[in-house]
Amino acid sequence: GDSVTQMEGPVTLSEEAFLTINCTYTATGYPSLFWYVQYPGEGLQLLLKATKADDKGSNKGFEATYRKETTSFHLEKGSVQVSDSAVYFCALSSTGTASKLTFGTGTRLQVTL
Amino acid sequence: NAGVTQTPKFQVLKTGQSMTLQCAQDMNHNSMYWYRQDPGMGLRLIYYSASEGTTDKGEVPNGYNVSRLNKREFSLRLESAAPSQTSVYFCASSEAGARREQYFGPGTRLTVT
Repeated sequence: GDSVTQMEGPVTLSEEAFLTINCTYTATGYPSLFWYVQYPGEGLQLLLKATKADDKGSNKGFEATYRKETTSFHLEKGSVQVSDSAVYFCALSSTGTASKLTFGTGTRLQVTL
Repeated sequence: NAGVTQTPKFQVLKTGQSMTLQCAQDMNHNSMYWYRQDPGMGLRLIYYSASEGTTDKGEVPNGYNVSRLNKREFSLRLESAAPSQTSVYFCASSEAGARREQYFGPGTRLTVT
């Protein structure tokens, strides 16, 4: 079945540091890939997405590229801010009658001054 | 435009009690979903409804039932709550078809004692 593996957290960075959160996946067919962010006490918000190989999703300074050859979708940001502190989830949606999401376990990011 | 709304926000139940979690969306989406979020496990799909009038089991359906009341509303029922059902429950919706992004509600934090 489908699965998503993302790096364990927590990740602690200083403000303005470079961020990478690794995500790899296993899926049948050609899934869409997503990064969701969850701020404390809130639901999940879509951060970015990519729907086919070599697509780059981007939003709010975050980027991720759909790499089919390495089955990866790593999240990056060049300069993190304290306000980026949250839990980040990698997810995929494969074939079917609905867009069922398979999630990774989440990576907590803590950014300090 | 409220998006996805959930009630209640918090609930404490005793073992064996029943309750229904309510979810509604105002985005005219065809598909709706219920997930549970547990520490270290990401989000896991309980049930989903690809379209009005249909429901299907997800990864962890045992102990739950759902009703797609109409296109807007999708409820989750616990008939006899157990401590293992202590979790945060999220409802989500999406447009019809596979590989679509989902929009999440704020969640219901349920504790079963």
